[in-house]
Amino acid sequence: SAVISQKPSRDICQRGTSLTIQCQVDSQVTMMFWYRQQPGQSLTLIATANQGSEATYESGFVIDKFPISRPNLTFSTLTVSNMSPEDSSIYLCSGGRGWGMNTEAFFGQGTRLTVV
Amino acid sequence: DAKTTQPPSMDCAEGRAANLPCNHSTISGNEYVYWYRQIHSQGPQYIIHGLKNNETNEMASLIITEDRKSSTLILPHATLRDTAVYYCIAPHNNDMRFGAGTRLTVKP
Repeated sequence: SAVISQKPSRDICQRGTSLTIQCQVDSQVTMMFWYRQQPGQSLTLIATANQGSEATYESGFVIDKFPISRPNLTFSTLTVSNMSPEDSSIYLCSGGRGWGMNTEAFFGQGTRLTVV
Repeated sequence: DAKTTQPPSMDCAEGRAANLPCNHSTISGNEYVYWYRQIHSQGPQYIIHGLKNNETNEMASLIITEDRKSSTLILPHATLRDTAVYYCIAPHNNDMRFGAGTRLTVKP
């Protein structure tokens, strides 16, 4: 199994500012994903973080708002830009070696973001 | 992803088996079925996955029907700590999308 660490675990931010969330995996993984989970809701996929190239974003999420980096196979960052209260949510990182390859993915404990 | 359908909530008595169903009638032949759970305020926890055969590990058993259109996750002796939201997922093309899941409440 892989251990996924996220930092920070929580933060309270002023509207209009940006926050960068870090995700570190303790072993090399092929796939890394970023999710958002709003209170009482299921997880929503934001994007797939691709190593060395631009992330692949899901409908409703754009690079200007959620820039993602993945410089190597064990690390990725998600930035929430120009925050508003609607961005208050839990942001989760996930990593694995690929779903169709009979392997599982693992999740970090999430970053609880409150925008005031 | 193949669309999955789960009941929104279930109750189970402590010590009894919890059987959580999932329908995935549009699943493709090479798509695995994964189960995760999320205990309040924590990240999702991997439970088990399978393709065709039934699977068992230290946490649970996964029973997949022969036509692969549905599956059941079995927690053999549910405890209060198993209270969580359980997600059944059939990812496709390497992306993992979560449905609403089943909120399992284990009662004393």
